Amino acid sequence: DTGVSQDPRHKITKRGQNVTFRCDPISEHNRLYWYRQTLGQGPEFLTYFQNEAQLEKSRLLSDRFSAERPKGSFSTLEIQRTEQGDSAMYLCASSLIPQETQYFGPGTRLLVL
Amino acid sequence: AQSVTQLGSHVSVSEGALVLLRCNYSSSVPPYLFWYVQYPNQGLQLLLKYTSAATLVKGINGFEAEFKKSETSFHLTKPSAHMSDAAEYFCAVSDPDKVIFGPGTSLSVIP
Repeated sequence: DTGVSQDPRHKITKRGQNVTFRCDPISEHNRLYWYRQTLGQGPEFLTYFQNEAQLEKSRLLSDRFSAERPKGSFSTLEIQRTEQGDSAMYLCASSLIPQETQYFGPGTRLLVL
Repeated sequence: AQSVTQLGSHVSVSEGALVLLRCNYSSSVPPYLFWYVQYPNQGLQLLLKYTSAATLVKGINGFEAEFKKSETSFHLTKPSAHMSDAAEYFCAVSDPDKVIFGPGTSLSVIP
C-alpha cells in the first residue's frame, strides 16, 4: 500500500492556459474524491467517483473544470482557460467504501500568473 | 447541508500544556466525524474518527475527542502538547458520502 499519489506536486501556469492533474488512489479503493484548498481555508469538495462513475459535482466545479476516472483507477482533473482565482492546492483522496476514512494525497499546488 | 465550525482560527499553547481545539457540527442525524491534521505543504492525515461506537475516541499521537450529541460538539484534546504538534487541524463531518471540512485551527506550541 503506497498511499495516494498526485502528480505534479507543483504547477505554475499563465492565465488562459490549460492544466491537468493526476491522482492515483490506493489500489482497490472504489471511491475517489477531489477537493480544493485555498490558503487559510479547509478543503472544499469538488467531485467524487464510485469506480468510473462521477456521482456528484459541487457548484464550485465550473464548466472549465472536468474530471475523469476512465478505468476506475487513476483520475485526472483538467482546468481549461485557467484564471488567477484557480490558484489553490488541489487534493485527491480515496476510500474503500462510502463513509469510510478518506486517505489524502500530498496535493498539487497550482499558481496561475 | 452539513456544516462545521471551529472556534478559534489560531490557538497557542505552551509545551506540556493541555491542547483543546473546539469543533461544532450541524447535523440532523448522527454523523461520522473526523479530525485531520495538516503539516505545511502536505496532505491531510487522519487523527481520529467517530462512527457511533463510543463517544470518547482515541486517535494517534495522544489525541482524543469526545462526541457530545446534546452540544453537537466534537472537541479535540491532548493532555500535554509537544513541539511536533504544531500544525493545522481540521474538523470534518460526513455528508453523507463526501466530507465537509471546517475552516481549520492553526496550533502553535511555545517552548
